[in-house]
Amino acid sequence: AQSVTQLGSHVSVSEGALVLLRCNYSSSVPPYLFWYVQYPNQGLQLLLKYTTGATLVKGINGFEAEFKKSETSFHLTKPSAHMSDAAEYFCAVSDLRGNTPLVFGKGTRLSVIA
Amino acid sequence: DAGVIQSPRHEVTEMGQEVTLRCKPISGHDYLFWYRQTMMRGLELLIYFNNNVPIDDSGMPEDRFSAKMPNASFSTLKIQPSEPRDSAVYFCASRLTTEAFFGQGTRLTVV
Repeated sequence: AQSVTQLGSHVSVSEGALVLLRCNYSSSVPPYLFWYVQYPNQGLQLLLKYTTGATLVKGINGFEAEFKKSETSFHLTKPSAHMSDAAEYFCAVSDLRGNTPLVFGKGTRLSVIA
Repeated sequence: DAGVIQSPRHEVTEMGQEVTLRCKPISGHDYLFWYRQTMMRGLELLIYFNNNVPIDDSGMPEDRFSAKMPNASFSTLKIQPSEPRDSAVYFCASRLTTEAFFGQGTRLTVV
């Protein structure tokens, strides 16, 4: 079975500061990993994904994440937070073939302070 | 493509009534998922289909919940009878290769 743990249900950063949202996964098979963002009253939108190949992946809006197999982690970062980054962020995992449904973490709410 | 389309966006109903949520996946996608989102439980997978066939419905909370996919372009999630604890946002998502694409969701309130 696969699972995702997101450390911190709420993270608050100042505008211009580094954003770091933590995600650890558990999977008995090589995983596919995803970060989604949800703005208020909206559906989930894909930020970035790791499938195979380069372990540092870049996504939309300046976000990136690094797959670290030894640490079973897939943390999301952005060098400089913007007010528009305030949203809920979800980490998700599926199996290597992508044949299983996405299993989501509980989410982390990011607040950006002016 | 217009993306995954869900209707209605909002539904308010009285306890005991039947509720039907609708989803049109992205054309060509062969997987369709129904998720429920609540503050307490986060995003829960209810059921998913592959090529219109239900694969796993173990997430459906009770027999009051049922889902169908009569063709590749349409799916329904029905709750009968509805209860206040069913209040949540219900998402439909479709997938072709790796990532899932989500609809805007249906916010269900059962009073």
